[in-house]
Amino acid sequence: AQTVTQSQPEMSVQEAETVTLSCTYDTSESNYYLFWYKQPPSRQMILVIRQEAYKQQNATENRFSVNFQKAAKSFSLKISDSQLGDTAMYFCAFMDTGTASKLTFGTGTRLQVTL
Amino acid sequence: GAGVSQSPRYKVAKRGQDVALRCDPISGHVSLFWYQQALGQGPEFLTYFQNEAQLDKSGLPSDRFFAERPEGSVSTLKIQRTQQEDSAVYLCASRIRRGIGAFFGQGTRLTVV
Repeated sequence: AQTVTQSQPEMSVQEAETVTLSCTYDTSESNYYLFWYKQPPSRQMILVIRQEAYKQQNATENRFSVNFQKAAKSFSLKISDSQLGDTAMYFCAFMDTGTASKLTFGTGTRLQVTL
Repeated sequence: GAGVSQSPRYKVAKRGQDVALRCDPISGHVSLFWYQQALGQGPEFLTYFQNEAQLDKSGLPSDRFFAERPEGSVSTLKIQRTQQEDSAVYLCASRIRRGIGAFFGQGTRLTVV
């Protein structure tokens, strides 16, 4: 079974600064997908960025980018030019390639963006 | 609809009561998932449908939990004889194909008193 670990329960960053959220995972699979989801107080999980394990190039979506280190099983999220609207819980998730290809989530990091 | 819709948003049930939670996925999405999110935790997988077929129910915590998707669109998660430990947010997600990532609804917060 896969496990996903987020070792930072809470992070704080000032507006316009850059912050990096950590995620490690454990799997015996060679092909899989990784995701970062954002969950604001509204509870809706919003997809931030995805990474395919067979692609060496790190994914980027506007102010969001990842540092994917497959050998180290590490998948960190960098948020540049942080905005107040980035305040939320952030979950790292692993998607297997089984029948369901279900998501396995970490315990989340609460990010607070301050003025 | 434009997104995944779940109802009700909030449900308070007395212990022992049966509840039914509804999920209306994005039109055309073949895959549908249910997740349970306890307070302060990440979501945990409950069950998976591909169209009307329930292909994986390995995450259902007990036989009091039952899910269906009879026509391959709307899904219902039913919990019989609710217990306090069932209190959680129940999230529904749908996906058009593997690898894209799932789209989630806003969840139903169930409180068992």
